[in-house]
Amino acid sequence: QKEVEQDPGPLSVPEGAIVSLNCTYSNSAFQYFMWYRQYSRKGPELLMYTYSSGNKEDGRFTAQVDKSSKYISLFIRDSQPSDSATYLCAMSLHTGANSKLTFGKGITLSVRP
Amino acid sequence: SQTIHQWPATLVQPVGSPLSLECTVEGTSNPNLYWYRQAAGRGLQLLFYSVGIGQISSEVPQNLSASRPQDRQFILSSKKLLLSDSGFYLCAWSVEETQYFGPGTRLLVL
Repeated sequence: QKEVEQDPGPLSVPEGAIVSLNCTYSNSAFQYFMWYRQYSRKGPELLMYTYSSGNKEDGRFTAQVDKSSKYISLFIRDSQPSDSATYLCAMSLHTGANSKLTFGKGITLSVRP
Repeated sequence: SQTIHQWPATLVQPVGSPLSLECTVEGTSNPNLYWYRQAAGRGLQLLFYSVGIGQISSEVPQNLSASRPQDRQFILSSKKLLLSDSGFYLCAWSVEETQYFGPGTRLLVL
């Protein structure tokens, strides 16, 4: 079993739809959870970061963590064509010098105008 | 604010040729630095990370090497490229648990 599993996609939705992106993980020691957005031929950019169970909201984006189920989600409300990108979940055991991240493989989202 | 630079942006190299990719970070001190390779359908693969000058940890045995000659400079090298070295190479930095990525170098080995 891989440490981090992410829905493979691709995913295509109409503009304005609510998008749900999900990752599951097997290592209950993961403490820090991140979502990155990567546009085609660009480096990933940090979108959301959280370290506790529950929801964290930032504009149209909500990150949800359920440590008991080992499950994280990213919700995008009122999706826009500019949200079309690959989304990667990532998680870390530690902070500081040992903060190596374990990534999901990413899911490509396309928002149709 | 912090910025991270990578160059070149694109590189086409013949098999067996050497490689040198450079990454520099501005606006922070003593960052952790990382080299990743991203191949289509395979996600991000951590190649090397460094917690300080001259300190390099290798994650995957291969024909690549890394060096950190200065606090905010990270170099990825190879003496002889293989076809399988083609990919998108990303440098990243962190101070705590979140990592910030550079724009990447697209390498094509022919």
